[in-house]
Formats: sequence, structure tokens, C-alpha cells
Amino acid sequence: QKEVEQDPGPLSVPEGAIVSLNCTYSNSAFQYFMWYRQYSRKGPELLMYTYSSGNKEDGRFTAQVDKSSKYISLFIRDSQPSDSATYLCAMRQSGYSTLTFGKGTMLLVSP
Amino acid sequence: NAGVTQTPKFRVLKTGQSMTLLCAQDMNHEYMYWYRQDPGMGLRLIHYSVGEGTTAKGEVPDGYNVSRLKKQNFLLGLESAAPSQTSVYFCASSYSNTDGLNTDTQYFGPGTRLTVL
Repeated sequence: QKEVEQDPGPLSVPEGAIVSLNCTYSNSAFQYFMWYRQYSRKGPELLMYTYSSGNKEDGRFTAQVDKSSKYISLFIRDSQPSDSATYLCAMRQSGYSTLTFGKGTMLLVSP
Repeated sequence: NAGVTQTPKFRVLKTGQSMTLLCAQDMNHEYMYWYRQDPGMGLRLIHYSVGEGTTAKGEVPDGYNVSRLKKQNFLLGLESAAPSQTSVYFCASSYSNTDGLNTDTQYFGPGTRLTVL
């Protein structure tokens, strides 16, 4: 079992929909959780960052971490065609220098 | 600031040939990373460096070597390319920190698309 599991999609939604993207993980030592966004033929860029459990909101984006269930989510409200990209979850253990990435979920938002 | 740049952007090699991919960053970051990205496999860490003169193995280091002779540069070498090394290679860099946002904000380059025939 890979440490981080993420459905590759694609996930197709109409413009304005609420999108839910998820990752599960097996290593309970992960404490730092991130969502990176990657547009086609570009490098990933950090979108959301959360430490330990809880929610974080930034505009239309909300990141949730449930450490008891080993489950993290990214919600996108009022999705736009410009949100079409691959979303990668990533996580890290305290004291470690490297991230563990999920495989990414491709999101397609149609006008 | 140019951020993270990668050279070359595209390359086609024949099996057995060697090449070096160059990553440069102008943000004075301590940490630098090399990843490969393959369809259905996500981002996999090849090697990384936590400072000038240091390197460490990642998840998939076999067939690759790296060097960090200067803080701003991180080189990835393929000594004898194989078709299995056909991939998109990404370099990234970040600040050092014991824990927190600085370390986890990795800045990625635009990638190098490598095909090995």
C-alpha cells in the first residue's frame, strides 16, 4: 500500500459546482499537509497549507485535515474553468526534509 | 527574479547515452530537489540536497547521480540512459526551516521532457 492514496480522476464538473478532492494516508506521523496545483505542462505550485488537524480557508478554497481518519480534503466553491488542473496532495513528517506526494487528481471544469 | 530554471526544456537521447540536467535558483534556497513525473505515478523524488555540497537519495535514485557544488545549482546526471528514464523531470527548491511553511513551499521549475529511445 502506497503511503498516500489519491484518485487520479479525471473529475469533470460544470462551472459553479462545489468540488471535493481527497487523499488518504497510512503514516500517522504526517503532520504537515499541502495541496499543490499543477496546470498542464507546468510545474506544481503550492495552493493550501495546513498544520495538523483542522480547517483552513482561502477565498474559494478550503483545506480540511482529519488526522484520526488519516484523510485530507480540498474543497473548491464556485469552481471556474481556470481551476482546471491537476491537484496533488502532499504531506511531511516533523523533522523530515522531504514531501510525500499523492498521484494527483485531474479536475476539468466546463463552462 | 527568475525563480527556478531548468535546462534543457526538451531532450531526446538514445539508449546508453549520457546527459546532465541543470537546475538553477536565484532565491538563495538551501534545499533543492529532483523529481520525475510519469503518468499514473505522480511525483517521485529522485535525489535531494539540504545544502551546498550535500546530497541524499530519494525514492527512486537508481540510474541517476547528482551534484550540488554551488548553492544555486543542482545537477542531475544520467550516466547511461534507459527507456525507463523517459519522463518529465522537475527541479524544486525551498527554504530551510526546522518545521513549517517555509520548508514545505517548494518552488518548481518548468520541467524537462526527456525521451530515451
